[in-house]
Amino acid sequence: KQEVTQIPAALSVPEGENLVLNCSFTDSAIYNLQWFRQDPGKGLTSLLLIQSSQREQTSGRLNASLDKSSGRSTLYIAASQPGDSATYLCAVRLRSSGGYQKVTFGIGTKLQVIP
Amino acid sequence: DVKVTQSSRYLVKRTGEKVFLECVQDMDHENMFWYRQDPGLGLRLIYFSYDVKMKEKGDIPEGYSVSREKKERFSLILESASTNQTSMYLCASSLNRPQHFGDGTRLSIL
Repeated sequence: KQEVTQIPAALSVPEGENLVLNCSFTDSAIYNLQWFRQDPGKGLTSLLLIQSSQREQTSGRLNASLDKSSGRSTLYIAASQPGDSATYLCAVRLRSSGGYQKVTFGIGTKLQVIP
Repeated sequence: DVKVTQSSRYLVKRTGEKVFLECVQDMDHENMFWYRQDPGLGLRLIYFSYDVKMKEKGDIPEGYSVSREKKERFSLILESASTNQTSMYLCASSLNRPQHFGDGTRLSIL
């Protein structure tokens, strides 16, 4: 059974700092990994998706990396801003021979960027 | 841009009531999903559908059913609501890869 762990559960940083959020998974036979952002009381917004054949993806100040062999992904946020304050979740989609490809979500890291 | 719309942001119902949560997507996606999100437990899949009138159980289907009569609409039904079904419910749709989520329905069962 795939387990997805995100550490730390919460993080507080001053504005302008670069930071790294971590996601680890137990089953390396993944199809892709996705990072989401969730604002309080809202749904999830997709940030980056990394296919199993890729090592990283970048969007603006965000960079996500994937190391399947070690079962890890990191989300790097450069020059953090108060607007980055949210909960960040990673989701791992497993490979399957057919039918639905199961997605397992981590519980998330709650980020607070202090002005 | 994909839009997934959940009919209610907040809903309060009583134990034993039959509850309907509605979700509509505007991008002709085949796949639609219902999750619940609880503190410390993350998102858990209740049901999903990969086509009209098709449905599959997720990880926690007990106490729930679903309906997909049209491609754009996926309904979650609580047959007889119980207090342990108080939660945030999230609907998502996808074509192949990334899932697009609605804003969620916070459901309270009294």
